Amino acid sequence: KQEVTQIPAALSVPEGENLVLNCSFTDSAIYNLQWFRQDPGKGLTSLLLIQSSQREQTSGRLNASLDKSSGRSTLYIAASQPGDSATYLCAVRAGNTGKLIFGQGTTLQVKP
Amino acid sequence: DGGITQSPKYLFRKEGQNVTLSCEQNLNHDAMYWYRQDPGQGLRLIYYSQIVNDFQKGDIAEGYSVSREKKESFPLTVTSAQKNPTAFYLCASFGGDVWYEQFFGPGTRLTVL
Repeated sequence: KQEVTQIPAALSVPEGENLVLNCSFTDSAIYNLQWFRQDPGKGLTSLLLIQSSQREQTSGRLNASLDKSSGRSTLYIAASQPGDSATYLCAVRAGNTGKLIFGQGTTLQVKP
Repeated sequence: DGGITQSPKYLFRKEGQNVTLSCEQNLNHDAMYWYRQDPGQGLRLIYYSQIVNDFQKGDIAEGYSVSREKKESFPLTVTSAQKNPTAFYLCASFGGDVWYEQFFGPGTRLTVL
C-alpha cells in the first residue's frame, strides 16, 4: 500500500531564506507527483506536476525534483517571502484511476 | 473561466440529519473525486467517478453516498451513518489522462452541532 510522508510537519524561517520541503513515498511505481499549496480554509492550488519520467520541474522561485528509485521528492523555494506562508502538500498518482495519495503536509511560516 | 465550484462554503448539520454537498465543474473533465481533510492531516479519498453513471468507493466511503447523473456534477451526501462528519470536504476533477494534473474546488466546511 502506497504511503506518502512529509517532513517536517511545520517550518518557520526568516524572510529571504532558501528552503527545502521533503516528500517520500513507499512504492516507486507512480505515474506522477504533484505539489500543492493550501491557504487556511481554502482549497488546493497546484504548484508543480512532475511526471515519473522527469527529474525536475521549475516555476518561478519553485523547483521540484523527483527521485523515483529512492521514493523522494523535494520542493525548493528560493528567496522565501511572507506570502509563501501556507501548507504545502505532495501527492502521488499511483494508478490509472487518477486518484491521489497525499502526505500530511508541511506548514510553512515565513517571518518578515 | 473554467473551474470547480462547491457549495455551500459552510454547512451545519444536526445529529441524525443527512446533508448534501454540491460540486460542479465546467472543465469538461470525465473524472471527479471527493476528499475529506481533517485538521493537520492530508486528504483521504471518499468516492470517485471516472464516467457518468458510474462511481467507486475510496478509502473512507462508509457513511457517504454519491451520484453522477451529469458530467458536470458530482454531489456528496453525508448520511447519519457517518459518525464523525465534522471536516473540510474537497472536490476535484481530472482531465482523464494519467499525465494531467488534478484541479480542486474551494471546499466545504461541515460542522456537526
